[in-house]
Amino acid sequence: KNEVEQSPQNLTAQEGEFITINCSYSVGISALHWLQQHPGGGIVSLFMLSSGKKKHGRLIATINIQEKHSSLHITASHPRDSAVYICAVVSGSQGNLIFGKGTKLSVKP
Amino acid sequence: KAGVTQTPRYLIKTRGQQVTLSCSPISGHRSVSWYQQTPGQGLQFLFEYFSETQRNKGNFPGRFSGRQFSNSRSEMNVSTLELGDSALYLCASRGPGSGDTQYFGPGTRLTVL
Repeated sequence: KNEVEQSPQNLTAQEGEFITINCSYSVGISALHWLQQHPGGGIVSLFMLSSGKKKHGRLIATINIQEKHSSLHITASHPRDSAVYICAVVSGSQGNLIFGKGTKLSVKP
Repeated sequence: KAGVTQTPRYLIKTRGQQVTLSCSPISGHRSVSWYQQTPGQGLQFLFEYFSETQRNKGNFPGRFSGRQFSNSRSEMNVSTLELGDSALYLCASRGPGSGDTQYFGPGTRLTVL
């Protein structure tokens, strides 16, 4: 079993829809990242969370430490949101990242 | 501030050859981590260097090695290349003020024929 599980693996939405991507983990963590990877490979860090909720524009990330679960929400989705979204947890004394397999999001106009 | 840069961006090698990839971190960042990304395994941690010392290592064979120079630039070497080494190799840096946030480079896409 992977230490970081994401669901769904693939997601297709219509422009304007509200989107939720989930991440569950089984290890102790000090923080959790949500990353965005566009075709071509470049990775951008969206959020880093250790508790509660963060919001940036149309993106909202939440984490529940007790339940070992985080969600990434996208409100009013747009085709430019199409990308792979990756959950990564910071674990261990050296703070290395353990990644989920990613969720491929496609937003249709 | 310039971002993380990686060279080369694309590389084609044949089985048995060796390859060296380079990563220049954001100025002031002393930690550089390397990751391998493949369609099957996703992103996996290779190793992290901090102040020229390897601080942590992932579960990869000894054919994968790295080093860091005094200016924090890092190189990764893969010897005796195998077809399965075809992947996107990403490096990321972090430093004072970035906390646990890592800043990723664009990656080097290695194809082994």
